[in-house]
Amino acid sequence: GESVGLHLPTLSVQEGDNSIINCAYSNSASDYFIWYKQESGKGPQFIIDIRSNMDKRQGQRVTVLLNKTVKHLSLQIAATQPGDSAVYFCAEKYSGGGADGLTFGKGTHLIIQP
Amino acid sequence: EPEVTQTPSHQVTQMGQEVILRCVPISNHLYFYWYRQILGQKVEFLVSFYNNEISEKSEIFDDQFSVERPDGSNFTLKIRSTKLEDSAMYFCASSWGQSNQPQHFGDGTRLSIL
Repeated sequence: GESVGLHLPTLSVQEGDNSIINCAYSNSASDYFIWYKQESGKGPQFIIDIRSNMDKRQGQRVTVLLNKTVKHLSLQIAATQPGDSAVYFCAEKYSGGGADGLTFGKGTHLIIQP
Repeated sequence: EPEVTQTPSHQVTQMGQEVILRCVPISNHLYFYWYRQILGQKVEFLVSFYNNEISEKSEIFDDQFSVERPDGSNFTLKIRSTKLEDSAMYFCASSWGQSNQPQHFGDGTRLSIL
């Protein structure tokens, strides 16, 4: 759900379990979506992207699902490891009209419990 | 793996002073961006730059901000007369293309205005 200020939604999972991070995006015209991982003191790190002509895309241990009907994006991380602990952001973009800037969500803090 | 580098990592400046944040984008990328993240808030788009001119800018990017690519490798953000509310992390990003291409971020400059 929504969070304000320093209070990010937090997801805590056991090491080795799978995790699912959800994101509701705002612009129905958005046609390109990216998931970023941000560790403390670092910039957003690209994980995986998906275009609106797809509903699923897989990478190494990660899968992104896109449901355009309800404007929902999810990131599945398989067999989580301690290094997966970070804040995860979804970002959206509308490629038409020369728009360049990404619109970021508020982020979810993923904690991997040993 | 090529990466975006930003300097300095932390900049402390008196209110009203000018500050220049520096970035070296990934070498074969053509599009360059600045974003900011106020503590505890979302990453927000400021400006994009292509072919030596601003391609898009947000409402945040007012007349006190300017960007420049002074040579073939650096990309700078200048804030002319800093305000307390300019305190934030500033991230530089670059991408090879505009549409449907991932933007890769640096680790940011923490700007503190006193």
